[in-house]
Amino acid sequence: DIVMTQTPLSSPVTLGQPASISCRSSQSLVHSDGNTYLSWLQQRPGQPPRLLIYKISNRFSGVPDRFSGSGAGTDFTLKISRVEAEDVGVYYCMQATQPPPPMYTFGQGTKLEIK
Amino acid sequence: EVQLVESGGGLVQPGGSLRLSCAASGFTFSSYEMNWVRQAPGKGLEWVSYISSSGSTIYYADSVKGRFTISRDNAKNSLYLQMNSLRAEDTAVYYCARDPLDRWGQGTLVTVSS
Repeated sequence: DIVMTQTPLSSPVTLGQPASISCRSSQSLVHSDGNTYLSWLQQRPGQPPRLLIYKISNRFSGVPDRFSGSGAGTDFTLKISRVEAEDVGVYYCMQATQPPPPMYTFGQGTKLEIK
Repeated sequence: EVQLVESGGGLVQPGGSLRLSCAASGFTFSSYEMNWVRQAPGKGLEWVSYISSSGSTIYYADSVKGRFTISRDNAKNSLYLQMNSLRAEDTAVYYCARDPLDRWGQGTLVTVSS
């Protein structure tokens, strides 16, 4: 199975400053159809996860444009241009490129907190 | 508005069974593939099971294969997870999520303990 590794596991950030989370996969996430099924989820405290980014860099409906995704192959990054208080939570990368099962594999999660 | 509402969680003894339900609304349920994803207390996310829109294709995580059964009733806009032979390590919040995990329910807690 593909293993997803996130760094850092914890990220203290000052309000208004940028934040960046990295995700590395153990194998290339380029699918045979040419797409790369790498997504990012946000889980605020006490809430279910929420889809932020899909296929590396596409923002899901309602996601603020301060969130952006980039990368290719096995290395991916989620960036928040200016952190707001509501961004506190845990961020997960996930892949859906590998033929199932499993359908999805998640990173360990990165906890974003305010300094 | 898309809504997914899970129910059926609770406390069960090791070896016992539970059936989770997920009621969907706000979208054409019969057109979407669905998943169950779980999260142990204080831990990360683990994909559990997938079912295609018609129910003809089903996948399970190795950790639950042979013990859990996913199903759906498109006439009732509902998704189910029958969980048998439950173990302590199955203790988690169980979420139903629309494929490709773009919408999630609030989750239902399953606790396996004697």
